[in-house]
Amino acid sequence: DADVTQTPRNRITKTGKRIMLECSQTKGHDRMYWYRQDPGLGLQLIYYSFDVKDINKGEISDGYSVSRQAQAKFSLSLESAIPNQTALYFCATSDPGQGRNEQFFGPGTRLTVL
Amino acid sequence: GESVGLHLPTLSVQEGDNSIINCAYSNSASDYFIWYKQESGKGPQFIIDIRSNMDKRQGQRVTVLLNKTVKHLSLQIAATQPGDSAVYFCAYLAYNDYKLSFGAGTTVTVRA
Repeated sequence: DADVTQTPRNRITKTGKRIMLECSQTKGHDRMYWYRQDPGLGLQLIYYSFDVKDINKGEISDGYSVSRQAQAKFSLSLESAIPNQTALYFCATSDPGQGRNEQFFGPGTRLTVL
Repeated sequence: GESVGLHLPTLSVQEGDNSIINCAYSNSASDYFIWYKQESGKGPQFIIDIRSNMDKRQGQRVTVLLNKTVKHLSLQIAATQPGDSAVYFCAYLAYNDYKLSFGAGTTVTVRA
């Protein structure tokens, strides 16, 4: 399912570098989310946006920032990457206006910070 | 606050048998619970959800049961197939803000 795409799929970087992860969707959904997944754990919410002018912090927003450039695009930035930010990052979208609670996830970005 | 957790991190099932994956939660004022399936190298995929005012909901080969008395949620998969091998997550959805809280996941392995 290519409705939610993420770039890059894999990234290796060094401590202190600025990194941006991109998410695009063709589903026409207003709501977008960024999650982090660590090995053996569930997903933790970093930031979410309910429309272009709305940005909200999630459970673990420290060290991250986001930008909602358009309805279809939601970017996650690590201003100064550190090793404990090594994880899988997922973008998701939803449209509760259709009466469904489902969130649609992208394929993920595997980020390694050395 | 809300916490969502699973009883067992791994489950090994014989192909053709039924699978039962369990989840416990702590907040009695919940609205929705959702089960997701995550295959290797992919993002989570929605399987089924259930509202807090329901006890049972069925889908294709899957059934979700909600026991509010003991704050327990389960996912039953009938006639488990090799394609069911994945990590399964339960998640809580707060209806008023649509933020998902995930449990740690159960890895299901189907034996041939």
